Amino acid sequence: DVKVTQSSRYLVKRTGEKVFLECVQDMDHENMFWYRQDPGLGLRLIYFSYDVKMKEKGDIPEGYSVSREKKERFSLILESASTNQTSMYLCASSLRRVSSYEQYFGPGTRLTVT
Amino acid sequence: GEDVEQSLFLSVREGDSSVINCTYTDSSSTYLYWYKQEPGAGLQLLTYIFSNMDMKQDQRLTVLLNKKDKHLSLRIADTQTGDSAIYFCAERTHGSGNTGKLIFGQGTTLQVKP
Repeated sequence: DVKVTQSSRYLVKRTGEKVFLECVQDMDHENMFWYRQDPGLGLRLIYFSYDVKMKEKGDIPEGYSVSREKKERFSLILESASTNQTSMYLCASSLRRVSSYEQYFGPGTRLTVT
Repeated sequence: GEDVEQSLFLSVREGDSSVINCTYTDSSSTYLYWYKQEPGAGLQLLTYIFSNMDMKQDQRLTVLLNKKDKHLSLRIADTQTGDSAIYFCAERTHGSGNTGKLIFGQGTTLQVKP
C-alpha cells in the first residue's frame, strides 16, 4: 500500500513565523503535490514537483515556497505565516509511469495561524 | 479554462441510493476520478474512469460519464451511514502532460440519515 505521511496533524503558529510542513511518501513516486483545502473552495494546488529539485507553481503559490531535495520528501514552507494561511494542508503523490496518474493523499495538517 | 463544478451538499436516507454529480469544462479530459474524504482525514481514491468509457461499476459504486455533456456522476447503492463524507470529483486533462496534475471540484458533502 502507498503511504504518504505528513509531519504534523495539527499545528499552531504565530503571525510572522516561518513554518515548515513535511511530506514523505514511500512508493518511489515521481510526482508530489501540496494543496490547501478550505470549506466551499475544494482543493487548490499550491505547488507541485515532478522530479527531484524540480518545482512548478500551482494556482495559489503566493506566500509559499517548496523544496524537494530527495525523491521521497516534499516540503512546503510558509516564509512569514499570516492568518489567511490558516487552513488544512494536504500532500499527495503519484506515479508517472502509469497513465492513470491517480494521486495518493496524506492525512493532512491543520494549520492555525494566530 | 479548466473547471470542475459540484453541488455542495446532498442528504439521503440510509438504504436509499445517492447520486453525486459533477460537471467539467475541458473536453480533453483523459481520466476522471472520485475521491472520498472522511472527517479529519485525507482523500481516498474511490474509483476512476478513462474518458473512452461510459460506465464503470465497482460493488455499490457506479460511475457514469457523459462526454457530450461533460457530466460525471457517482451512484452509491444502498447508502450506509459510513458513506457520510465529502466526495470530490477530479479530472486529468491532456494538457497536464506527465506532471500528473489534477483539477478538483469543490466537494459534495453527503449526509446519510438513519
